Amino acid sequence: TQLLEQSPQFLSIQEGENLTVYCNSSSVFSSLQWYRQEPGEGPVLLVTVVTGGEVKKLKRLTFQFGDARKDSSLHITAAQPGDTGLYLCAGYSSGYSTLTFGKGTMLLVSP
Amino acid sequence: DAMVIQNPRYQVTQFGKPVTLSCSQTLNHNVMYWYQQKSSQAPKLLFHYYDKDFNNEADTPDNFQSRRPNTSFCFLDIRSPGLGDAAMYLCATSREGRGADSPLHFGNGTRLTVT
Repeated sequence: TQLLEQSPQFLSIQEGENLTVYCNSSSVFSSLQWYRQEPGEGPVLLVTVVTGGEVKKLKRLTFQFGDARKDSSLHITAAQPGDTGLYLCAGYSSGYSTLTFGKGTMLLVSP
Repeated sequence: DAMVIQNPRYQVTQFGKPVTLSCSQTLNHNVMYWYQQKSSQAPKLLFHYYDKDFNNEADTPDNFQSRRPNTSFCFLDIRSPGLGDAAMYLCATSREGRGADSPLHFGNGTRLTVT
């Protein structure tokens, strides 16, 4: 059973466009983390959201944690080619001692 | 800078020939993880160490073994690599086993090719 569903799986857009990536689950998570992985490198933590309804901003990236702590979204404003990469959401759910990863969203931003 | 270092970045091995991948960390984190990642998919956890305690995932093949001789180093041994084992292998650390204040710190991975 996939605890974290990410959508879309792949997204190809032009520079300057806005986009939203979703991370959904039927389980409650104590926190959710978002990572970005650039080609040939390991994932790097972008943000952790902890409180239901929390919104965090990182420059052009806005992260939101659902009120019920079952879902999260990542919104990128005015995407740039440097945003290209695999975006992964991950969280700790009840009964699991290790991080559960979503399948990821591969984002390609063309100039 | 404190970091997670994996060596080598690229490893080529022959079908059935044992191979060892290495990971070191300067973060002094308690937990070290090994993940397998295939082409733009999510990382798949193979096993992890909480300090010296080894934790194997139920679906990790017996072909994969790990050693953690001290806090700083962790090794992944593939006893008889098959073609299906070709992947990126990622090492990660975290300060504690779970929690919002224990994100994972990844190395840049070792890309394994099996010929």
